[in-house]
Amino acid sequence: SAVISQKPSRDICQRGTSLTIQCQVDSQVTMMFWYRQQPGQSLTLIATANQGSEATYESGFVIDKFPISRPNLTFSTLTVSNMSPEDSSIYLCSADRDTANTEAFFGQGTRLTVV
Amino acid sequence: AQSVAQPEDQVNVAEGNPLTVKCTYSVSGNPYLFWYVQYPNRGLQFLLKYITGDNLVKGSYGFEAEFNKSQTSFHLKKPSALVSDSALYFCAVRDLRNDYKLSFGAGTTVTVRA
Repeated sequence: SAVISQKPSRDICQRGTSLTIQCQVDSQVTMMFWYRQQPGQSLTLIATANQGSEATYESGFVIDKFPISRPNLTFSTLTVSNMSPEDSSIYLCSADRDTANTEAFFGQGTRLTVV
Repeated sequence: AQSVAQPEDQVNVAEGNPLTVKCTYSVSGNPYLFWYVQYPNRGLQFLLKYITGDNLVKGSYGFEAEFNKSQTSFHLKKPSALVSDSALYFCAVRDLRNDYKLSFGAGTTVTVRA
């Protein structure tokens, strides 16, 4: 199994600012994903972080608002840009192998509050 | 399209009683199904998965799940619940036709009372 370290674990930010969340995996993984979990809700996939190419965004999410980096096979960042209170959420990164029959692993999440 | 449904927002049981958390799925092709648990202020932890083989899958912390193809269900079960099992549980399915992405159910909050 993979161990994922995600930081910060929580933050309170002013509206209009940006926050970068980091995710470090203890082994090389092909796929990394970023999710948003709004209070009391399920996980919504924001994007797939591809190593060596631009991230692939899901419907409703755009690169200008959620820029993502994936400089190597063990690290990724998600930036929440120009934040508003509606961005208050838990953000989770996930690492995955390249086979469908394996489980994904998750970081502990970043609880973001925008004031 | 693929999806999973968790019909119960909340499940409440007494400690020592059986626990069941329901999940139904809708996929094209063979389903790859997963259960995850989320404790307060924590990320998701993997519990168990069904890929192929025996319909009864055993996982972590004494949990098991039964895959039922005719009913398109994958219910999570524990014979004797503990107070420490109180958490948020998610069923998920992989979409093999969409880069193996996981699709999650809405989640079920389990409360086990002493």
